[in-house]
Amino acid sequence: DVVMTQTPVSLSVSLGGQVSISCRSSQSLVHNNGNTYLSWYLQKPGQSPQLLIYKVSNRFSGISDRFSGSGSGTDFTLKISRVEPDDLGVYYCGQGTQYPWTFGGGTKLELK
Amino acid sequence: EVQLVESGGGLVQPGRSLKLSCAASGFTFSNYYMAWVRQAPKKGLEWVATISTSGSRTYYPDSVKGRFTISRDNAKSSLYLQMNSLKSEDTATYYCANLNNLWFAYWGQGTLVTVSS
Repeated sequence: DVVMTQTPVSLSVSLGGQVSISCRSSQSLVHNNGNTYLSWYLQKPGQSPQLLIYKVSNRFSGISDRFSGSGSGTDFTLKISRVEPDDLGVYYCGQGTQYPWTFGGGTKLELK
Repeated sequence: EVQLVESGGGLVQPGRSLKLSCAASGFTFSNYYMAWVRQAPKKGLEWVATISTSGSRTYYPDSVKGRFTISRDNAKSSLYLQMNSLKSEDTATYYCANLNNLWFAYWGQGTLVTVSS
C-alpha cells in the first residue's frame, strides 16, 4: 500500500500569514497514464471534508487562489497564503493513483 | 447544487449487519463513480469502497473486503453499503462521496456507525 506521510502534524499561524504543508508518498504517484492523482482536502471543525486541490495543482471549483499545490513524484506541498479564519481545520492529502487509495494522517491548522 | 445525504447509521452489536444508504441529487448520478470513506472517532480518513457507473466493478481495501458490499441504484440515484460481520474497529462516521476521475469531489455530511455490545 502507498503510505502518505504529512508534516507537520499541527501548525499555528497568524491571520494573514502563510503556511506550507508537506505530503510525501512511499511510492511514486505517477499513474500509468502519466497523470499524478494527488489531492488535498480540508475538514473544518464539525464538517465533512471538502476538496481543495486535485491532480497536484488544480484548484477545485470555488476554491480561492490563496490555496496552491505543487510537487511531483513522491513529494508534494500545499501552500496557503493570507490565512483567514475560515481556513482553520485539518488538511489531508490523498492519493488515487494506486489501490487501495490512501490518505495522509492530517495536519491541523490552528490560530497562533 | 450537489447533495449527498447518508442514512442508516446507528448502534449495532459486533458480528451483526447494517446497511447504509446515500441519496444523491444535483448531478447525473449514473455518470459518476461513487465511493464510501470512513473516519473513526478523532482519527483520519480511510477509503472503504468504490463502485463504477454501472455497478459492474467494485473495489475495496483488505480491511473490509469480503465483509462490505457497495452497490447502487441509478434509477433511484442512490448508493448503498452493506456491512456484514461488523467489528469494533468499524466504528466510524461513514461518508458517501462523488468521484470525479480519481479524487473525491463532493462529500455527504456522514452517518455514524457504532459497533459495540
